[in-house]
Amino acid sequence: DAGITQSPRHKVTETGTPVTLRCHQTENHRYMYWYRQDPGHGLRLIHYSYGVKDTDKGEVSDGYSVSRSKTEDFLLTLESATSSQTSVYFCAISEPTGPNLTEQYFGPGTRLTVT
Amino acid sequence: AQKVTQAQTEISVVEKEDVTLDCVYETRDTTYYLFWYKQPPSGELVFLIRRNSFDEQNEISGRYSWNFQKSTSSFNFTITASQVVDSAVYFCALSDPQSNDYKLSFGAGTTVTVRA
Repeated sequence: DAGITQSPRHKVTETGTPVTLRCHQTENHRYMYWYRQDPGHGLRLIHYSYGVKDTDKGEVSDGYSVSRSKTEDFLLTLESATSSQTSVYFCAISEPTGPNLTEQYFGPGTRLTVT
Repeated sequence: AQKVTQAQTEISVVEKEDVTLDCVYETRDTTYYLFWYKQPPSGELVFLIRRNSFDEQNEISGRYSWNFQKSTSSFNFTITASQVVDSAVYFCALSDPQSNDYKLSFGAGTTVTVRA
């Protein structure tokens, strides 16, 4: 199994509060991703990183920011949580090799509830 | 834009029946990758298979088999002689390696319930 951990695994927070989710990997993979999973939508990409300090937006990035100061850590921050951000959040990693694409490996997920 | 459609929301079968999950994709790229992931009730996402667009050979792994047809933009997944442990949500996904972000576009998933 790929070495990916997410913390916290569960969190309940109130509307308007800031929240930070952490993804930690031990695989030294270059690419890291944050997805959210909602019923009927599969997984949707929030932000991704292709190296230390190199990040970019995904398809549902509004209301989220990310940071990557070390290869192994990728943080997702909800600046002011809203009820629409209640979801399960997954971190993933991958390491492309030249023109080839490796599969993404996923962390265990974080269930976030915003009340 | 890339799009993955899994038209079947839920499938329920009795143990030992075969079940086929449909996946239809849209992409303008000539080079792309297709994936299947399994999400059991415990919630983790498990990688099952990766297929690149140049390889149209079907693949079999134990009770699992995949049928890739470029002509119909489909990458269907069959579980033969299903077991209760196959109960899960299955996701099909598409990626374009030329975009340099290697992100996955997921279908909405198909929930498979295998009854004993």
